[in-house]
Amino acid sequence: EPEVTQTPSHQVTQMGQEVILRCVPISNHLYFYWYRQILGQKVEFLVSFYNNEISEKSEIFDDQFSVERPDGSNFTLKIRSTKLEDSAMYFCASSDEREQYFGPGTRLTVT
Amino acid sequence: AQKVTQAQTEISVVEKEDVTLDCVYETRDTTYYLFWYKQPPSGELVFLIRRNSFDEQNEISGRYSWNFQKSTSSFNFTITASQVVDSAVYFCALSEAPGTGNQFYFGTGTSLTVIP
Repeated sequence: EPEVTQTPSHQVTQMGQEVILRCVPISNHLYFYWYRQILGQKVEFLVSFYNNEISEKSEIFDDQFSVERPDGSNFTLKIRSTKLEDSAMYFCASSDEREQYFGPGTRLTVT
Repeated sequence: AQKVTQAQTEISVVEKEDVTLDCVYETRDTTYYLFWYKQPPSGELVFLIRRNSFDEQNEISGRYSWNFQKSTSSFNFTITASQVVDSAVYFCALSEAPGTGNQFYFGTGTSLTVIP
């Protein structure tokens, strides 16, 4: 069964560093998403992406964040200069016209 | 605006007891979808069920059952004869249209501990 994959599963970075989280959505899906879950809290929407542009973003998704679909398969989330409070689990998701599927998540730790 | 409330932060039960996890939602949409996800300690989100607003039939899947009541805007989840492997955080979520770019709104989760 097709699934959304994410790499790496765990990333440790130093404060101020740039980090890129990678996702491979399900191949025929058209909509892509990033969500964030700070430890012990709920899952929060960051951004959705369609037709090579952002279709919706939350107030969390500020200028420090960017998304890109650099080729036909990858979907990336870049955090320009990480802060301690960016430590969280980041979930990628993709959807066809009916259903949204979540990846296993990347745990980002900022030290 | 959409909102999902899971008032129970933590629940502990003894193995084999039944447990119900509450979920109350708010939306102005007439068409919407409700979900339950399980998040084990490993962190991934495990899909459990999807229900659309036009289908109020209750559903049973093995030891799991769901009670959807539009009149009270609730979508509660019951685990019968709980097992230690059921220990996890459970999230209820709402989406207007999950497949067309619409975001999921998650509740704050209920942490279930099943004591052997």
